[in-house]
Amino acid sequence: AQSVTQPDIHITVSEGASLELRCNYSYGATPYLFWYVQSPGQGLQLLLKYFSGDTLVQGIKGFEAEFKRSQSSFNLRKPSVHWSDAAEYFCAVLPGGGADGLTFGKGTHLIIQP
Amino acid sequence: DAGVIQSPRHEVTEMGQEVTLRCKPISGHNSLFWYRQTMMRGLELLIYFNNNVPIDDSGMPEDRFSAKMPNASFSTLKIQPSEPRDSAVYFCASSAQGNTEAFFGQGTRLTVV
Repeated sequence: AQSVTQPDIHITVSEGASLELRCNYSYGATPYLFWYVQSPGQGLQLLLKYFSGDTLVQGIKGFEAEFKRSQSSFNLRKPSVHWSDAAEYFCAVLPGGGADGLTFGKGTHLIIQP
Repeated sequence: DAGVIQSPRHEVTEMGQEVTLRCKPISGHNSLFWYRQTMMRGLELLIYFNNNVPIDDSGMPEDRFSAKMPNASFSTLKIQPSEPRDSAVYFCASSAQGNTEAFFGQGTRLTVV
């Protein structure tokens, strides 16, 4: 079965600084990979996804992520964070073929310092 | 489109009572998912439907939980009898045929006292 590890439970970043959130997955083949963001009291919003092709994918709100097969990683990055980026971020995988539900990591809570 | 609509947004109930959570997926979407979110276990897939048919309910914690999808525009998740450990946020999500992007509702926060 597939699994997702987000090693950082909390990350604190100063406003304007760069951000990288880590995600490692375990799956026998290349899965479909996703990053979702959850603001307090809200549902999950898709930031970006990777299915195949270019390993650097661009998403909404200035986020990007890079798929590295050799490291089984799909880290999320943003060059300059804004206070509004404070939220919970979830990495998720879907088996290739997309017939099942998502398997989520435990999430990383992002705190933005002024 | 209004997105995935869940009701109620908040539910407080006493242990032993029946609880029914409701979900209206995005029109035209043919897959529907129920997830549960807790601090301890994170987001867990409970069950999903494809074309109104339950495909995988292996995530349903026990027989107290049941889900139905009587038609393409409505699904329910029922807990009977409810227990305090069922307290969580329950999310419904839907996706379209051939599109793996799932759209989430705002969730139902359930508190069982």
